[in-house]
Amino acid sequence: GDSVTQMEGPVTLSEEAFLTINCTYTATGYPSLFWYVQYPGEGLQLLLKATKADDKGSNKGFEATYRKETTSFHLEKGSVQVSDSAVYFCARLDTGRRALTFGSGTRLQVQP
Amino acid sequence: GAGVSQSPSNKVTEKGKDVELRCDPISGHTALYWYRQSLGQGLEFLIYFQGNSAPDKSGLPSDRFSAERTGGSVSTLTIQRTQQEDSAVYLCASSFGRSSLQETQYFGPGTRLLVL
Repeated sequence: GDSVTQMEGPVTLSEEAFLTINCTYTATGYPSLFWYVQYPGEGLQLLLKATKADDKGSNKGFEATYRKETTSFHLEKGSVQVSDSAVYFCARLDTGRRALTFGSGTRLQVQP
Repeated sequence: GAGVSQSPSNKVTEKGKDVELRCDPISGHTALYWYRQSLGQGLEFLIYFQGNSAPDKSGLPSDRFSAERTGGSVSTLTIQRTQQEDSAVYLCASSFGRSSLQETQYFGPGTRLLVL
């Protein structure tokens, strides 16, 4: 079935380091793609999204580009902060369905 | 309210008891979703409502799980005869429910259920 695969965590970085969290999806149809973030003790929040190939979603310094040729939606940030420590979930929303399919989540720990 | 609210925030119950979890969506949102977040299974879709009807119940794990929505607003997820494997965080989300299927789902803080 349709799936989303994320890199295993935790990812531990020093402040101001460059971040990449890989996300790939199975190439069935033309899903919309999302990154959600869950800060400690809080609920899921939408970070960014892209609805078609070559779209770039961006928010709070994070970016992700919808790459149809590699079926990827990798999350990047040029300079992470301690406050970015959270669990990041990649997700897809398939045409004809309303249910989000999530990856397993990647925990990011940023050290000062 | 400003966001999706859920109650209770935490629930501890004994195996075999029934529990009810409540979700209050964002005002004006006609679509409502239930998901479950557990250690072993990650984030899983349970059920989707459009108004008061549920066109997609495909994620409900067993017939012990049911959900209803009344007045196009509040929804209740009921788990009967709870089992230890039901322990998880139950998340509710809502969206505008327009014809576009690309709209954003907004999540509540979740109800953490522990079955002893």
